Amino acid sequence: AQSVTQLGSHVSVSEGALVLLRCNYSSSVPPYLFWYVQYPNQGLQLLLKYTTGATLVKGINGFEAEFKKSETSFHLTKPSAHMSDAAEYFCAVSEDGGSQGNLIFGKGTKLSVKP
Amino acid sequence: EPEVTQTPSHQVTQMGQEVILRCVPISNHLYFYWYRQILGQKVEFLVSFYNNEISEKSEIFDDQFSVERPDGSNFTLKIRSTKLEDSAMYFCASSEESGGSYEQYFGPGTRLTVT
Repeated sequence: AQSVTQLGSHVSVSEGALVLLRCNYSSSVPPYLFWYVQYPNQGLQLLLKYTTGATLVKGINGFEAEFKKSETSFHLTKPSAHMSDAAEYFCAVSEDGGSQGNLIFGKGTKLSVKP
Repeated sequence: EPEVTQTPSHQVTQMGQEVILRCVPISNHLYFYWYRQILGQKVEFLVSFYNNEISEKSEIFDDQFSVERPDGSNFTLKIRSTKLEDSAMYFCASSEESGGSYEQYFGPGTRLTVT
């Protein structure tokens, strides 16, 4: 069965510092991987996704993630944190193969950015 | 930009009562989903819906739950007899196509509190 593990329920960084949010997955078939962000009182917004091709994926707001099959990881990074990045981030996996594409989510990581 | 909307934003109900959560998916989308997030836990898939029938459902989606697309715009989740453990944030999502690689667009959620 598929699963997603996000290490760290809460990450705090200073403004301008590197953001690293960790995500590991398990899947019996090549996965599709997603990062979603949730700002307070809003829905989940797609940051980026990996389906096939280039393993380094660039998303919105300066975020990127790298699919590493050997490590079963899809960590999210941003070189320089901004106050507006404070939100909750969810990693998710979906399988192909005729599935309707229901997403399996991690527990989420709340990112705080200190001035 | 088109978005998924959900009403109400917060619903309080007594145990044993029926509730209907409403969603308006993006107008040209054909695939619809419900997820829920119990406080402090993962976002969990409940059900997917296409062409007026359920495509997939999780083990959470038991006989107490039902979904419907009563007209050309609304997509509803009904819980027949609510239990305390149904208290959660419920997210509706829609996508243009099916399959794991397609982006699902999420609404802001309905917080259901069962007392």
